[in-house]
Amino acid sequence: DQQVKQNSPSLSVQEGRISILNCDYTNSMFDYFLWYKKYPAEGPTFLISISSIKDKNEDGRFTVFLNKSAKHLSLHIVPSQPGDSAVYFCAATNSVSGGYQKVTFGTGTKLQVIP
Amino acid sequence: EPEVTQTPSHQVTQMGQEVILRCVPISNHLYFYWYRQILGQKVEFLVSFYNNEISEKSEIFDDQFSVERPDGSNFTLKIRSTKLEDSAMYFCARTGGYGYTFGSGTRLTVV
Repeated sequence: DQQVKQNSPSLSVQEGRISILNCDYTNSMFDYFLWYKKYPAEGPTFLISISSIKDKNEDGRFTVFLNKSAKHLSLHIVPSQPGDSAVYFCAATNSVSGGYQKVTFGTGTKLQVIP
Repeated sequence: EPEVTQTPSHQVTQMGQEVILRCVPISNHLYFYWYRQILGQKVEFLVSFYNNEISEKSEIFDDQFSVERPDGSNFTLKIRSTKLEDSAMYFCARTGGYGYTFGSGTRLTVV
């Protein structure tokens, strides 16, 4: 049962353009969503998150949009830079309870930013 | 300095052998996790560990797997009798706010 889905395994974008990575989820209990970035031979690193009470969160070049009714979120990177080339994982969880938090990951989207 | 250190970075083992993957979380957190990623697939939850006990485990985490925090700092994942399908990247993580801090992973190759 794939509760978090990233239907695009890869994406290529020209440097300076916008990158849009999409994610869908099925579990209505998820109330917090995260994006992780992963380089080869490294662990995933936290990028940006959004609570279900919001529909947008922005951090520099990165913006995450949440559409709860559609159970869909997206990550926008503007402008895209070659250093953004990595695998991006969408992830979801329930609210932190006493410090415990199990995160469910999507399958990842490999972003390539072409100089 | 990384907050979560994993050793070894790469381990090759023969099928049926036991392996121990190690994790050293620097800060004094209570919750620790093991995840794995088979090449090209999603990052999968294996087990969470709280206060020296397993708090939750996935279907993947069968009797071949065990976790320990033997000396209060190191956090280990043991696979008793490795199978070819255990080949994957194994990530240790600790919670930090909303999200995890991951280690850099151990690449396990079972031959």
